[in-house]
Amino acid sequence: GAVVSQHPSRVICKSGTSVKIECRSLDFQATTMFWYRQFPKQSLMLMATSNEGSKATYEQGVEKDKFLINHASLTLSTLTVTSAHPEDSSFYICSAPLQLKYGYTFGSGTRLTVV
Amino acid sequence: EDQVTQSPEALRLQEGESSSLNCSYTVSGLRGLFWYRQDPGKGPEFLFTLYSAGEEKEKERLKATLTKKESFLHITAPKPEDSATYLCAVQANQAGTALIFGKGTTLSVSS
Repeated sequence: GAVVSQHPSRVICKSGTSVKIECRSLDFQATTMFWYRQFPKQSLMLMATSNEGSKATYEQGVEKDKFLINHASLTLSTLTVTSAHPEDSSFYICSAPLQLKYGYTFGSGTRLTVV
Repeated sequence: EDQVTQSPEALRLQEGESSSLNCSYTVSGLRGLFWYRQDPGKGPEFLFTLYSAGEEKEKERLKATLTKKESFLHITAPKPEDSATYLCAVQANQAGTALIFGKGTTLSVSS
């Protein structure tokens, strides 16, 4: 089935540094990738939508200069958290749409801890 | 505003004790309602897609149903390995738009 590989699974970084998260579609072409953030016991909240070859669309309240999204190819989308702060600590997950009957496929998530 | 509400927030069952999880939704133009399973520290795993009221889907001990306002995930004779968070999500309006998720129901099944 369609697989999205997400790396790293866990990362700890110092406050003020940047972290890059990668999502690769392994056996299909993802023209669109959704990026979600999930806080403990909370819902998955959509942060942004990336489309191959065009600028990402950010949800209201999400700082586009802080969360840089690049969708350079049909198989790779990246999220860079710039100048990370402790409040950015969260679980970040990418997702690509498939045919409805197969649902949307999700990456395995990245646990970001900023210290 | 499109919204998904799940209840209960947490559910504890004994092995073999059947129950149901609820997902109520308000959405403009439902294209599909999805159920996912999420284990701690993992991404969601697809279970079912439901398209229209009256539809039912089954997979092992799980059965999902859909009405015009809500969906139920019935768990029959659960086992400890069914312990996870179950997420409900909807896709509204246009094809390819992002899913809107509920907060999930965390199920714990003890032997």
